[in-house]
Amino acid sequence: AQSVTQPDIHITVSEGASLELRCNYSYGATPYLFWYVQSPGQGLQLLLKYFSGDTLVQGIKGFEAEFKRSQSSFNLRKPSVHWSDAAEYFCAVGAAAGNKLTFGGGTRVLVKP
Amino acid sequence: DAGVIQSPRHEVTEMGQEVTLRCKPISGHNSLFWYRQTMMRGLELLIYFNNNVPIDDSGMPEDRFSAKMPNASFSTLKIQPSEPRDSAVYFCASSLVGRATDTQYFGPGTRLTVL
Repeated sequence: AQSVTQPDIHITVSEGASLELRCNYSYGATPYLFWYVQSPGQGLQLLLKYFSGDTLVQGIKGFEAEFKRSQSSFNLRKPSVHWSDAAEYFCAVGAAAGNKLTFGGGTRVLVKP
Repeated sequence: DAGVIQSPRHEVTEMGQEVTLRCKPISGHNSLFWYRQTMMRGLELLIYFNNNVPIDDSGMPEDRFSAKMPNASFSTLKIQPSEPRDSAVYFCASSLVGRATDTQYFGPGTRLTVL
């Protein structure tokens, strides 16, 4: 069975500082990996996705993620956070593109001025 | 495109009442997913459809929950009778399965409160 672990429940970062959110997955074959962001009271918005090819993927809002098969990780990064990046971030793994997703528990990001 | 549309956005009901949540997927998408989000359990898949056919309903909590997709542009999730522990945010998502870059797009959710 597939699973996703996001070890950090909360992260507080200063505005302008860099951000890295960890994601570890468990899946027997090549995974399809996603990062979604959820602002308070909103639905989930896709930040980026990895299906194959280049292991460093670029997303919206200046985010990027790196797929490391040897570590079963798909960490999300942003070089300089903005106050508007305060939200909850979810990593997800799917068996195939468009198939059902298994989500991690989420990481809530707080941005200090 | 209007995106995934869910209604109502908020629903408050009393225990024992029937609740129906509605979803209109993105036009042209052929898969539809219902998720539930709670503080305790996070985001969990309840059921998903492919070409209007239920493929996996293993996440449906119990017989009080049922979902239908009578056509490609409409789905319902019904809870009858509702209980306070059903209080959660219910998300609908849709995707176009079969393309290498397809992705699930989520609706804004329905916040359900059962008193």
